[in-house]
Amino acid sequence: ELKVEQNPLFLSMQEGKNYTIYCNYSTTSDRLYWYRQDPGKSLESLFVLLSNGAVKQEGRLMASLDTKARLSTLHITAAVHDLSATYFCAVDRLVGGSNYKLTFGKGTLLTVNP
Amino acid sequence: KAGVTQTPRYLIKTRGQQVTLSCSPISGHRSVSWYQQTPGQGLQFLFEYFSETQRNKGNFPGRFSGRQFSNSRSEMNVSTLELGDSALYLCASSFMASGVGETQYFGPGTRLLVL
Repeated sequence: ELKVEQNPLFLSMQEGKNYTIYCNYSTTSDRLYWYRQDPGKSLESLFVLLSNGAVKQEGRLMASLDTKARLSTLHITAAVHDLSATYFCAVDRLVGGSNYKLTFGKGTLLTVNP
Repeated sequence: KAGVTQTPRYLIKTRGQQVTLSCSPISGHRSVSWYQQTPGQGLQFLFEYFSETQRNKGNFPGRFSGRQFSNSRSEMNVSTLELGDSALYLCASSFMASGVGETQYFGPGTRLLVL
């Protein structure tokens, strides 16, 4: 059974600071996704990481994937209040034949304080 | 391009009733996946449909079922509702079936409350 663990689960940070959210997963996978969810809203896709060493950046967010360590990171640079949200990582797992199942981490609730 | 739409947005039912939720994917998308989100269990995969066929099913009891129509719209049905079924039900669509690294686009969800 694939386990996807995020840490921290809760993160309170000040505007202007940097921080990293970690996503560990327990079985081999080459596809990792990051999503953002605002309170009461649906999930918004942030990044799709498809290979070892992949790095993607959008604004103040940068995601990377190390498939050998089974680890992805989401780095926040110079946080601003608008980044306050819950961030989820999710991993594709082959469950049989050519069928995959997306397994999500518990999410990291990020609060950026002025 | 219109996004994924889900109806209804909110629903209140009582134990033992059944409910049907609807999801209309982005135009041209053929894959629809359903997820249940609760504070305790987080986001859990329910099932995926692609071209009217169920490709994959999560670890949920048989009370949870779904189907997909020829226009790719999907419905999810939960029979004999239990209190623990209270959750936000999200559907997501993509052009290709899961496993190819394609982004899934999520709908706004249906919030189900079982009393």
